[in-house]
Amino acid sequence: EAGVVQSPRYKIIEKKQPVAFWCNPISGHNTLYWYRQNLGQGPELLIRYENEEAVDDSQLPKDRFSAERLKGVDSTLKIQPAELGDSAVYLCASSFLAGPTDTQYFGPGTRLTVL
Amino acid sequence: DQQVKQNSPSLSVQEGRISILNCDYTNSMFDYFLWYKKYPAEGPTFLISISSIKDKNEDGRFTVFLNKSAKHLSLHIVPSQPGDSAVYFCAASAGSNYQLIWGAGTKLIIKP
Repeated sequence: EAGVVQSPRYKIIEKKQPVAFWCNPISGHNTLYWYRQNLGQGPELLIRYENEEAVDDSQLPKDRFSAERLKGVDSTLKIQPAELGDSAVYLCASSFLAGPTDTQYFGPGTRLTVL
Repeated sequence: DQQVKQNSPSLSVQEGRISILNCDYTNSMFDYFLWYKKYPAEGPTFLISISSIKDKNEDGRFTVFLNKSAKHLSLHIVPSQPGDSAVYFCAASAGSNYQLIWGAGTKLIIKP
């Protein structure tokens, strides 16, 4: 069974440029999560989707970040414009359901460096 | 305000011995706790979990202990193996709030 797929794996951009990350969750998983992990810290939730609906985006910086999950399958996270502080690993995860006991399966992440 | 704290950034243990990783939390509403393991260049992988109605959960070489009065949980790995070298994250959630709150991780190094 294929795991969570993310691309690109690495991205280097200059500040003020836009960037987009793509995630394809495990087949059949209804819930999709985007996390940001800063160096030396644990992941922090940015947004959670149940099917195509964003049910928790309280921690998404909406002035520059946007996300979509069309058709309730794959998802894209965008930053425009990027700032130096956005350098981090962006992780996508999926789970079959949305409860706290439902195991989240993570992709390998996209390491973003903003120069 | 860190609600989940892993105070040891790293831990070195001899192969075959017991590894004990610790996690403290401040939010008394947390009722479900998880440990994830992460290898370099990979995403975290679920390892073991425990509900607040229990004080111990065991899965093979891995056991998680929960002390609610002390707001402390620990992960025991016995015996430690070279493949256990990774970063271990503690995470917690509260009731119907599905958001996981993560600690900063502890890097475990198993020495041969």
